[in-house]
This record gives sequence, structure tokens and C-alpha cells, in this order.
Amino acid sequence: DAGVIQSPRHEVTEMGQEVTLRCKLISGHNSLFWYRQTMMRGLELLIYFNNNVPIDDSGMPEDRFSAKMPNASFSTLKIQPSEPRDSAVYFCASSPFGGENFGPGTRLLVL
Amino acid sequence: QKEVEQDPGPLSVPEGAIVSLNCTYSNSAFQYFMWYRQYSRKGPELLMYTYSSGNKEDGRFTAQVDKSSKYISLFIRDSQPSDSATYLCAMMTGTASKLTFGTGTRLQVTL
Repeated sequence: DAGVIQSPRHEVTEMGQEVTLRCKLISGHNSLFWYRQTMMRGLELLIYFNNNVPIDDSGMPEDRFSAKMPNASFSTLKIQPSEPRDSAVYFCASSPFGGENFGPGTRLLVL
Repeated sequence: QKEVEQDPGPLSVPEGAIVSLNCTYSNSAFQYFMWYRQYSRKGPELLMYTYSSGNKEDGRFTAQVDKSSKYISLFIRDSQPSDSATYLCAMMTGTASKLTFGTGTRLQVTL
């Protein structure tokens, strides 16, 4: 059974460009989480969905960030426009009831 | 004050040593407690998951929860170089809620 799948694995872009990160959940999981990890701030929850509905987006830094879950198995996190301070590793995680399964992450560098 | 406090380390121990990793928390509503292991450039992976106060053992790993003191621990017996990683504690209030992570403790097991 495949785990959480994220794409791209690495992204280098210039400031001001739009970035879209993608996540495919584990089949049967109904909760989806987006995290950001940096050396300075550790692992931060950005937003989470339960049964495709956003439950808590209080961690989303600002209006430049948006997340969607168009169906039960797929989600996107979009940053528009991107800034150098958005450089981080972005993880997607899914769970059936808690104890989340993390994807491999997308390493984002904004120049 | 953060809801979950964890010493970032690094913690360096010789192979075969017993390792003790700890977290304290302030939110008495936390009911579920987890330990994640994260290897360099990988996503966190769930190691242990406990609900009640007391000990839970899995091979060389023992998770301990003391709700009265708001203190959790992870013990690793007979530590191996392959245990070198960052260990993150995490906790949540209910089964459908979000996890709150500690900042992680970096462990290095030397030969």
C-alpha cells in the first residue's frame, strides 16, 4: 500500500512566482494536514481538513497561502506570490483518526 | 510559553546506552501522545502512540506518560547508530484533532 505521495520533491523558484505543492492521501484516510518545517521554527501546522472540509487554517501565514482538497484523495497548497521567507520543507500528512502518516516532503527554495 | 516543550539537544550517546527523551506540556486537555522519528531529509514517521498514563513497550522502545505531571518520555534501550535521528513528541486532545509537536531532540548514537 503506497504511503502519502507528494510532488514535486524539490522546487526552486524566484520571488513572486506561484508555487503549487501536491499531495495524494493514503486510501481510506479522512484527515489531511499540511505542515511546514524550518530549522528556526520546527514543524508548524498550516491547515488541516477532515472529510474534505477545512477545519483549522489558523496556521496559514497570510493570504498568499491557500489550500484546497477537491476530492477525498488529493490536496494542493498554493503560494502566490512566493517570497524567500517561504523557503522550507512542506509536508503533507494523512490519518484515519490520529497518528499521522507523513509524506516525504517538498523542499522549496525561493530565491 | 509553548504548549509543548522539548529540549532540542543535540544528545550524543555511545552505542548500547539507554537514551531518555522527554517532553513537558501545559494543556491538560491533551489525551493522546505520540513519538515520531525523523531521519535527515525524510518525513517524520510514527514510532509510538499512547493514550493512558503508564508505560507502553515496543521492542527496544518504551513510551511513558505521566498525566499528573504533564510529562512524557521515550526510552531507547541498547541504542544503535541507526537510532541517530531527530525525535519529536506530539500530542492531541481528541482523535479527530490536530497534533501539537515539540521542536524535536536530535540524537546521535556513536560507535
